[in-house]
Amino acid sequence: AQTVTQSQPEMSVQEAETVTLSCTYDTSESDYYLFWYKQPPSRQMILVIRQEAYKQQNATENRFSVNFQKAAKSFSLKISDSQLGDAAMYFCYLLDSNYQLIWGAGTKLIIKP
Amino acid sequence: DGGITQSPKYLFRKEGQNVTLSCEQNLNHDAMYWYRQDPGQGLRLIYYSQIVNDFQKGDIAEGYSVSREKKESFPLTVTSAQKNPTAFYLCASSPLRGGSYEQYFGPGTRLTVT
Repeated sequence: AQTVTQSQPEMSVQEAETVTLSCTYDTSESDYYLFWYKQPPSRQMILVIRQEAYKQQNATENRFSVNFQKAAKSFSLKISDSQLGDAAMYFCYLLDSNYQLIWGAGTKLIIKP
Repeated sequence: DGGITQSPKYLFRKEGQNVTLSCEQNLNHDAMYWYRQDPGQGLRLIYYSQIVNDFQKGDIAEGYSVSREKKESFPLTVTSAQKNPTAFYLCASSPLRGGSYEQYFGPGTRLTVT
């Protein structure tokens, strides 16, 4: 069975510092997509970043980047220059080529001013 | 503006009543999804649909029903058989072609049953 594990229920970081959220997964598929979503207190789900498994290059979106280690089945999210607006729940999500989707349990990110 | 709408934002019902949550999208997406989220928890898939007039159960379909008569609409009915219906419900849609596959979410409906 496919799984997505976010081992950090909660993380905190000082404003302007860098933080890394971990996500590990297990799938037997060779073709899949990985995503990080953010859910701020408004509860609106917002896409942060997307990674296609066939791409070796790590995805980057402004202050957000991923460390995608396919062999290790790891997909961590790095947030640089953390801002107060980054405070949210962060969810890791896997979609495979059969359209099977698995969500992680989430990591609550706290930003300390 | 393209997007997903869910209505209402807050919904209150008495125990024993069925209630239908609305979800509409104008993004021309093939797939639509319903999730349940309890406080401090992640998303649990209730139902999803990849094509009109077809849908599949997710992980927690018991006590829920859906229909997909139009591509744009995917209403969710919470029946009286659902033992603990009070929760936050999120609807999403996604393309199944074009290589994106990201899910676009509505603002959610907070259902309270007393």
